[in-house]
This record gives sequence, structure tokens and C-alpha cells, in this order.
Amino acid sequence: DAGVIQSPRHEVTEMGQEVTLRCKPISGHNSLFWYRQTMMRGLELLIYFNNNVPIDDSGMPEDRFSAKMPNASFSTLKIQPSEPRDSAVYFCASSLAGIGSGETQYFGPGTRLLVL
Amino acid sequence: AQTVTQSQPEMSVQEAETVTLSCTYDTSESDYYLFWYKQPPSRQMILVIRQEAYKQQNATENRFSVNFQKAAKSFSLKISDSQLGDAAMYFCAYSTGSARQLTFGSGTQLTVLP
Repeated sequence: DAGVIQSPRHEVTEMGQEVTLRCKPISGHNSLFWYRQTMMRGLELLIYFNNNVPIDDSGMPEDRFSAKMPNASFSTLKIQPSEPRDSAVYFCASSLAGIGSGETQYFGPGTRLLVL
Repeated sequence: AQTVTQSQPEMSVQEAETVTLSCTYDTSESDYYLFWYKQPPSRQMILVIRQEAYKQQNATENRFSVNFQKAAKSFSLKISDSQLGDAAMYFCAYSTGSARQLTFGSGTQLTVLP
């Protein structure tokens, strides 16, 4: 299995620019999660999808962040406009979800974002 | 709200020795799952071990085992015969059967001394 694939692995951009992070979940998985990791706040859930539908986006910091999952094999996390405080590692994870089960989440390698 | 606490920011162990990392959690749920993830310098999050709360038997995976104390809400990770490659940040995490999202502890940085 290829595992969860994320691109780009590293992104350096200037404040005010649009940033798009991409994720391909493990084939057959029906839940997808976006996390952000910073030194100050640790690992935070931003949003998760089940069967391509956003279920909980309460972790999305503000309107500058948006996420989509147009099909079962692709998701994007977009930041527009980006700010220096958005600098972090962004992880995508996927799992095979079923009602009442605690499915193991498998993580991608992360995207390290630096906003100057 | 569920919380996960790792009270040891840093730990060290001699190669080939055994080390135990602590984790406690707070929940009112009866159906939940606990995990240990490892994050080496590459930043990849790697699943180490998983425990279902309804199972009394402690999970084991080769050199990794847990001590799950449900009444005490404690979930420690024991690493036996520590190897240099075990050096990493270790995160304890929790999820409920219904909520699905993971709640992470703050992590324990493990150093393995040669």
C-alpha cells in the first residue's frame, strides 16, 4: 500500500499568498482528517470528512482556511491569505470508519509550511 | 471534554534497557480507544500500538506493550530492549467510538543512549 500521500512536502511562501495542501488517503478509507502541529499548540484537529462530507470543522482557525474533498481519493486544505502564524506542519490522516468503532488513523508524511 | 496528559516531557533510556512512558486521560465515555504514536525526526506519525477500552488484556506489539488501567484512566507504554531507532517523540492519543477524531497528549521526547 502507498499509504497516505501528501504534497507538497515543504512549502515556503510569502504572507498574503494562497497556499494549497493536497492529500490522497489510503484507498478504501472513508474518513479523512486534517491536523496542524505547532510547538505552541501541539497537534490539533482542523477538520474531518466522512464519505467526502465535512463532519466537524470546529477546529478550522478562521475563514482564511477552507477544506474540500471532491471525491474519495483527494482532499485539499487551502489557506488564503496566508499569515506567518500559519507556519506549521500540516498532517493528513485517513481511516476506515464504521459506526461505533475507533478506527486507527494512518498519517501522511506531513507538509511543512513556512510563511514569511 | 476529553483530555490526555503526558506528564513526562522528556525521558532517556540506555540501549537494551526498558523504559515506561506515562499517559493519563479523562473521559466519561465507556466506549473508547487509546493509541501510542511515534514521531521520529522525519516528522512522520507512526502508529505504535492500539488498545480498545472494552478489552481487559493489554495490547502488545513485539517490544512494545501497554499497561492499561481503566479505573485509574492510565495507559502507559513499555518499550523493552530499547534500540537507537526508538528515539522519537511519543504521543498518547484517545478517540471515542462516536467522535472518531484523535485527542493527543503533549508528547514525551525519548532519547536512547548508546
